[in-house]
Amino acid sequence: AQSVTQLDSHVSVSEGTPVLLRCNYSSSYSPSLFWYVQHPNKGLQLLLKYTSAATLVKGINGFEAEFKKSETSFHLTKPSAHMSDAAEYFCVVSVSTGKLIFGQGTTLQVKP
Amino acid sequence: DTGVSQNPRHKITKRGQNVTFRCDPISEHNRLYWYRQTLGQGPEFLTYFQNEAQLEKSRLLSDRFSAERPKGSFSTLEIQRTEQGDSAMYLCASSFGRERTQPQHFGDGTRLSIL
Repeated sequence: AQSVTQLDSHVSVSEGTPVLLRCNYSSSYSPSLFWYVQHPNKGLQLLLKYTSAATLVKGINGFEAEFKKSETSFHLTKPSAHMSDAAEYFCVVSVSTGKLIFGQGTTLQVKP
Repeated sequence: DTGVSQNPRHKITKRGQNVTFRCDPISEHNRLYWYRQTLGQGPEFLTYFQNEAQLEKSRLLSDRFSAERPKGSFSTLEIQRTEQGDSAMYLCASSFGRERTQPQHFGDGTRLSIL
């Protein structure tokens, strides 16, 4: 069965410092992995996707993620946090029918 | 690209009433998904359409829930005899093609509150 585990429910950083949001996955075949962001009372916006073309994936707003098969990880990073990055982040795996399995989410707080 | 549109944005109703939500996907998208998100949790899959055919339903979708996608365009999700536990955000998403690698585009959701 496919699943994802987000290792931190809450991450707090200062503006201008790096961001690291951690995600481990479980999959019986080559996974399709995504990171989505959700701002309060809004839908989800795609940040980036991994579909086996390249292990380092660049997304929008300066975010990137690295797929590491040996560690079954897909961590999300950004070199320098901005206040507007404060939101809920979801690591997601897509199963064979295309439906998405979401992690529990990580709340990113950015302090001035 | 007008995005995925959901209506209404908010719905407040009394327990036992029926409610219906509408989702208009991106026009060329053939796949449409419904998810439910409760407070502090990630979204959970409810059901999925490819064109007008409903191909998968979650066990979360009790017999009080029904979804349709007539003509493969917009979709409706109806909840009959609402219960307190139905309070949640209902999200619709759409995608194009047959591959599971295609990202889904989400609407802003309908927030349901049961009094």
